[in-house]
Amino acid sequence: AQKITQTQPGMFVQEKEAVTLDCTYDTSDPSYGLFWYKQPSSGEMIFLIYQGSYDQQNATEGRYSLNFQKARKSANLVISASQLGDSAMYFCAMREQLYTGANSKLTFGKGITLSVRP
Amino acid sequence: DAGITQSPRYKITETGRQVTLMCHQTWSHSYMFWYRQDLGHGLRLIYYSAAADITDKGEVPDGYVVSRSKTENFPLTLESATRSQTSVYFCASSQAGRRTEAFFGQGTRLTVV
Repeated sequence: AQKITQTQPGMFVQEKEAVTLDCTYDTSDPSYGLFWYKQPSSGEMIFLIYQGSYDQQNATEGRYSLNFQKARKSANLVISASQLGDSAMYFCAMREQLYTGANSKLTFGKGITLSVRP
Repeated sequence: DAGITQSPRYKITETGRQVTLMCHQTWSHSYMFWYRQDLGHGLRLIYYSAAADITDKGEVPDGYVVSRSKTENFPLTLESATRSQTSVYFCASSQAGRRTEAFFGQGTRLTVV
């Protein structure tokens, strides 16, 4: 069963507007973390933001924020004031068993391509 | 150099040959991961390791072998390369515990002809 689902195949946004990239996840573990990474055309993987399952508030990092809805098992990335440099592939990832010390693998979704139009 | 480095960056090999992709990190992170990235599939986990001498299979382990005798190194070996293993391979490392984001190497583009 797919743990991380990113169903938007490609997204377009006008420069300076906000955009939401969707991510849903599946886990029965109460202790998990959710991550978003950016992969520009140059290929490197850049960490953007983290949300822990026990965190009381939604995570924010500069122009990035995470709309975390635990009951719906969704962790959507919101990018405010889009810039041309935001054009990239975006991956949602999950790590389970964060607090138990057990083997904790990091699982990725298939990614979403974001194109920012000038 | 500090960080996580993969070698080689590019590799062309023939079907049936053994090839090893190297990964080295300088942070003493306990966790290390190998992923392959293919169009339409995102990043798929091949193997991961929680510590030296502890490895575990990921989503797509068939045809691959890993070892981790030292914390800093996590080589990935394709025992007998096949064309379906043509891909971009990423190595990553992370600490254990909360807020455990992974740091990625630059990737190795492997072509099997």
